[in-house]
Amino acid sequence: DQQVKQNSPSLSVQEGRISILNCDYTNSMFDYFLWYKKYPAEGPTFLISISSIKDKNEDGRFTVFLNKSAKHLSLHIVPSQPGDSAVYFCAARGDNNNDMRFGAGTRLTVKP
Amino acid sequence: DTAVSQTPKYLVTQMGNDKSIKCEQNLGHDTMYWYKQDSKKFLKIMFSYNNKELIINETVPNRFSPKSPDKAHLNLHINSLELGDSAVYFCASSQNSGNIQYFGAGTRLSVL
Repeated sequence: DQQVKQNSPSLSVQEGRISILNCDYTNSMFDYFLWYKKYPAEGPTFLISISSIKDKNEDGRFTVFLNKSAKHLSLHIVPSQPGDSAVYFCAARGDNNNDMRFGAGTRLTVKP
Repeated sequence: DTAVSQTPKYLVTQMGNDKSIKCEQNLGHDTMYWYKQDSKKFLKIMFSYNNKELIINETVPNRFSPKSPDKAHLNLHINSLELGDSAVYFCASSQNSGNIQYFGAGTRLSVL
């Protein structure tokens, strides 16, 4: 019962281009969405989030878009940098943090 | 100064043994969590705990038990280890069950 899905296990982009990571969810009760970034041998670190009352949130090079009707969110990174190479996890929260669901992650490789 | 630290980083043990993983956070957070990252890379919450309440994911076997000697620590005890327990276990913390969780670097458990 995977309520949060990241269907692309990997993505490769050229430095300077846009990276778009996608995430789909099935539970319409989710009200808060987060993206975490993970480097090898480290824990996930919070990157950016969005509440269900918004459809866009921007923080520097990172923008998260939420399409509630499609139950879809995406993370845009522009311009992409080699240091952005990592695994990106999408997460969604229901009533409380005990109901936090993570996707399986997408490995982003940014080539110089 | 690691905010959320776990020990050990690697743990190799035999089936049937009992083992513990320690977690400490120096962020002053009042809620701590344990996650299991399975072979398909999904992060699944096992427990959340604050001073008042332990919430257990119903799918977690009772061989797993969290123990919190104080607010800054949440250790994970596992009895009668099984092959299927092999995974990476992440500890995390947040303030007031807030949305953003801070993760440790993970403990890779291998049961032989």
